[in-house]
Amino acid sequence: DGGITQSPKYLFRKEGQNVTLSCEQNLNHDAMYWYRQDPGQGLRLIYYSQIVNDFQKGDIAEGYSVSREKKESFPLTVTSAQKNPTAFYLCASSIDRSRRPEAFFGQGTRLTVV
Amino acid sequence: AQSVTQLDSQVPVFEEAPVELRCNYSSSVSVYLFWYVQYPNQGLQLLLKYLSGSTLVKGINGFEAEFNKSQTSFHLRKPSVHISDTAEYFCAVSLPSPRDYKLSFGAGTTVTVRA
Repeated sequence: DGGITQSPKYLFRKEGQNVTLSCEQNLNHDAMYWYRQDPGQGLRLIYYSQIVNDFQKGDIAEGYSVSREKKESFPLTVTSAQKNPTAFYLCASSIDRSRRPEAFFGQGTRLTVV
Repeated sequence: AQSVTQLDSQVPVFEEAPVELRCNYSSSVSVYLFWYVQYPNQGLQLLLKYLSGSTLVKGINGFEAEFNKSQTSFHLRKPSVHISDTAEYFCAVSLPSPRDYKLSFGAGTTVTVRA
């Protein structure tokens, strides 16, 4: 089955540690995104990538980093510089802006800083 | 820049009653509009989308939405809800540009269906 796989589903991190969230898609989509979800705030865009080896900052990129070395993979690193990293993180992808502009989402990773 | 306002943060409704979730958007140019549903601890699933053409859009699970350009609204409706419709619903907007891939989301509306 085609889809977007995020792992792990739950992640615990100690303060001061970096952590990487995985996102893999086998839909052959060009664009991939990372969103952060907090209660009552909807989804906020962290980073997005339209093609391999290229990515752009979203609205809340500070304290995060990404890479796009392969079309199917878009990992997100939450660094120790992110002041409030506890949140639900969602990865998404989309295929073609003109015909199918909607994004398809993974199941999310819940990150908790302990 | 475009933005979305969902006018109700919580909507309680009885089973088999109709429901309407309100969404207003702000943009100086034409937009694409979407409604997504999220069940607890899951990702988002697309309910329906408006790109162009007919202003009444039908989606999955019996939902429909009406695009109103003059009122800059895209309200979601279902004539008869089920317990399984209990979820959070998000309205989203994007620009119809081949180089702008960003979706802007509203804060969400939590629908609770009671028996």
